[in-house]
Amino acid sequence: DTAVSQTPKYLVTQMGNDKSIKCEQNLGHDTMYWYKQDSKKFLKIMFSYNNKELIINETVPNRFSPKSPDKAHLNLHINSLELGDSAVYFCASSQTSGIGDTQYFGPGTRLTVL
Amino acid sequence: GDSVTQMEGPVTLSEEAFLTINCTYTATGYPSLFWYVQYPGEGLQLLLKATKADDKGSNKGFEATYRKETTSFHLEKGSVQVSDSAVYFCAATGANSKLTFGKGITLSVRP
Repeated sequence: DTAVSQTPKYLVTQMGNDKSIKCEQNLGHDTMYWYKQDSKKFLKIMFSYNNKELIINETVPNRFSPKSPDKAHLNLHINSLELGDSAVYFCASSQTSGIGDTQYFGPGTRLTVL
Repeated sequence: GDSVTQMEGPVTLSEEAFLTINCTYTATGYPSLFWYVQYPGEGLQLLLKATKADDKGSNKGFEATYRKETTSFHLEKGSVQVSDSAVYFCAATGANSKLTFGKGITLSVRP
């Protein structure tokens, strides 16, 4: 009964390709997020959706496009992959977008761009 | 913008040693404060949290107290175990509802 799941767990691809990462939560939460963790373990938010509506959009290249088909799913599509996109991408969800709400994280997708 | 500063790592301790990991924050309004832990090869898990000044979060022997006057949320454990070896992240959510993380610190506990 995985609360927040991501696929794939590992993704190895060539520069210039387009790839997608999928995320699903079965917690009934309203809000979902994408984070990027770099090689030094630093975590930074990329996007957040609340009830399928984009509410946080950090300074992320236009090559990254999130899509939320419903409250339980948030996918991340990346066009024209670059070497610098190599990182671990984490999906998370929370009950609401409130300040005190705990965010629950998925296991991560390790993206390697060659 | 909001920021979270953690002490530099890594930290290596012997089993049963006392642990302190310092964390200070800068955030708008009245932030909520969190400690997350990341075990090797896994995602982040909430360790504890505090949502208002003087609250103490605790879990698995770890504690942290929300100190508004010093803008701090230091993590402590009286006796660490080998199984506590992981990366620990301090985080804060300010008025913009964004969760801002510190750089993380790697803890290694040797038997």
